Amino acid sequence: GDSVTQMEGPVTLSEEAFLTINCTYTATGYPSLFWYVQYPGEGLQLLLKATKADDKGSNKGFEATYRKETTSFHLEKGSVQVSDSAVYFCALSGLDNNNDMRFGAGTRLTVKP
Amino acid sequence: DAGVIQSPRHEVTEMGQEVTLRCKPISGHDYLFWYRQTMMRGLELLIYFNNNVPIDDSGMPEDRFSAKMPNASFSTLKIQPSEPRDSAVYFCASRAGHLSSYEQYFGPGTRLTVT
Repeated sequence: GDSVTQMEGPVTLSEEAFLTINCTYTATGYPSLFWYVQYPGEGLQLLLKATKADDKGSNKGFEATYRKETTSFHLEKGSVQVSDSAVYFCALSGLDNNNDMRFGAGTRLTVKP
Repeated sequence: DAGVIQSPRHEVTEMGQEVTLRCKPISGHDYLFWYRQTMMRGLELLIYFNNNVPIDDSGMPEDRFSAKMPNASFSTLKIQPSEPRDSAVYFCASRAGHLSSYEQYFGPGTRLTVT
């Protein structure tokens, strides 16, 4: 079935390091792809999205490009900050009139000063 | 917009008691989702509604769980009787049906502890 696989964590980086969190998907159609972020004690917040192949979503210095050829939507940031410490979820939705959203397992990021 | 509102934010109850979680979706959104998040199982979809009608409840764990949406601005998730394994964070999310990107907006969650 349709699913999302993201790299397992936890990921620990020093401030100003480059971040990549890998996400690949399996789908029979052309889903919309999302990255959500969850800060401690809070709900999930939409970080960025892309709705078709080659679209690039970006927000707060984070970017991800919808790659149909590799079925990937990797999250990147050039210089992470301590405040980026959170759990990041890759997700897909919009397939075959299916209205639910499929989430990856989440990747915990810790950024140290 | 106030976003998705959930209450209570924290609930501690004893095994066997009834628990009711509440959600107010974003005004104008016609889809509402209930999720459960645990360390072991991650984020699980329990049920979702479209225009107040339950569409898919295949994720509801068992008959002890029930959900209702009496109107467009209110939904409840009830557990009766509650058990310690129901301890989790329960999220409500909503989305607008006309959006083609299918993005959902989450509430802050209710942390349930059953002792």
